[in-house]
Amino acid sequence: EIVLTQSPGTLSLSPGERGTLSCRASQRVSSNYLAWYQQKRGQAPRLLIYGASSRATGIPDRFSGSGSGTDFTLTISRLEPEDFAVYYCQQYGSSPPITFGQGTRLEVK
Amino acid sequence: EVQLVQSGAEVKKPGESLQISCRGSGYSFSSYWIGWVRLMPGKGLEWMGIIYPGDSDTKYSPSFEGQVTISADKSISTAYLQWSSLKASDTAMYYCVKAQLSSFHRAAFDVWGQGTMVTVSS
Repeated sequence: EIVLTQSPGTLSLSPGERGTLSCRASQRVSSNYLAWYQQKRGQAPRLLIYGASSRATGIPDRFSGSGSGTDFTLTISRLEPEDFAVYYCQQYGSSPPITFGQGTRLEVK
Repeated sequence: EVQLVQSGAEVKKPGESLQISCRGSGYSFSSYWIGWVRLMPGKGLEWMGIIYPGDSDTKYSPSFEGQVTISADKSISTAYLQWSSLKASDTAMYYCVKAQLSSFHRAAFDVWGQGTMVTVSS
C-alpha cells in the first residue's frame, strides 16, 4: 500500500498570497496517477487536479499541480477567499487500495 | 448534468444492518466504476472499495474487506454500500464517487455524491 504524507498539516496564509502544498509518497506513483481534491466545510470533495498536473473541468488556472515519482505539489498562485479549505492528495496508480493523504488545512492568517 | 444522488442520513444501533444507496444519472452508469469513500469525524478520506456496474467486478481496500459489501444494480443505475452488523466505529460520512475514465478503475474521482451521514449509537 502506498502511504501519502501531506505537509504542512495546517497552512496559514492571507488572501492574495501564494500557497504551496506538498504530498510525498512512500513509493513511486505509477504513471503519475496523483490527484488533488478540495473539501470545504459541509461539502463533498471536489476534484482539482488529476494526472499530477492536469486541471479538472472548471477549475481556475490559479490552481496548478506538479511533480513526479514520489514528490508532488499543489500550488495556488494567488489565494482567493473561497480557497480556504482542506486539500487532499490521492494516488490511484496502485490499486487496490487507492490511498489518500491525511489532508492539509489551508486557513486564513 | 452528471450526478450521483445518495440516500438520506441514517441513525442506527450497534448490531443493526444497513444499506445506503447512490443513484447515478446523466451518463452511462454501467461503463464507469463507482467507489465509496469514508470520512470519519475529524479524520481524512479513506477509500473503501469500488465496483464496475457493467459486470459487478468489485475491489475492496484490505481495511474494509469483510466489513462491508459493495453492490450495484445497473438496471436502476444504483450502487449500494451494506453493513450486516454496525459498530459505533462505523459512524461517519460516506461518499459515493464516479471514476473519471470509462472502464478504468485506476482513475481520479470526478463526481462525488452529496454524502450520507451514518450514526451508530446505542
